[in-house]
Amino acid sequence: GAVVSQHPSWVICKSGTSVKIECRSLDFQATTMFWYRQFPKQSLMLMATSNEGSKATYEQGVEKDKFLINHASLTLSTLTVTSAHPEDSSFYICSARDNGKEYEQYFGPGTRLTVT
Amino acid sequence: GQNIDQPTEMTATEGAIVQINCTYQTSGFNGLFWYQQHAGEAPTFLSYNVLDGLEEKGRFSSFLSRSKGYSYLLLKELQMKDSASYLCAASDSNYQLIWGAGTKLIIKP
Repeated sequence: GAVVSQHPSWVICKSGTSVKIECRSLDFQATTMFWYRQFPKQSLMLMATSNEGSKATYEQGVEKDKFLINHASLTLSTLTVTSAHPEDSSFYICSARDNGKEYEQYFGPGTRLTVT
Repeated sequence: GQNIDQPTEMTATEGAIVQINCTYQTSGFNGLFWYQQHAGEAPTFLSYNVLDGLEEKGRFSSFLSRSKGYSYLLLKELQMKDSASYLCAASDSNYQLIWGAGTKLIIKP
């Protein structure tokens, strides 16, 4: 149990285009999901907390108009990187908190984004 | 402020034991997590401690001292596949995880 999927697992896009990444909790409901970014050899950086039915909470320094988050159901959150630039190339990881277990986050497998 | 400290890198020998330490300062506390992350992959859950003491799970054990703001992850009978980064994360009063930078563990034959 407690499986989180992400799609796509990797994507290459051109500068200026937008990319949407999906995060799904497959066997549990998640009111809260988290979006992280990780650059090579660095730790996870929390970008935003996504709450079902309400606006996401963005961490300081993360542009909400560039990284659009939608959490329309209890099992799906999406992150859209708008007007992508090469510096947005990174490993994007989502995690979901099981509504029945306050304390644990389950991670998706990650999405590797390369912007050319 | 909130802060997590853990060593950047450690090296150990196959078959040996290694202890990875983590100290934390958070606004409120709802538990301490350890995750394993292999290069290019997402983190996977190893352990969760919310009460003081040692939790043993196979070759891996995790210890917590809330009064000292301290935890460690103990790995026994090291195998080459244990080479990975180990992330310490503390859950604050809002159940948000505060992450350490991770400890890269290198296992040598």
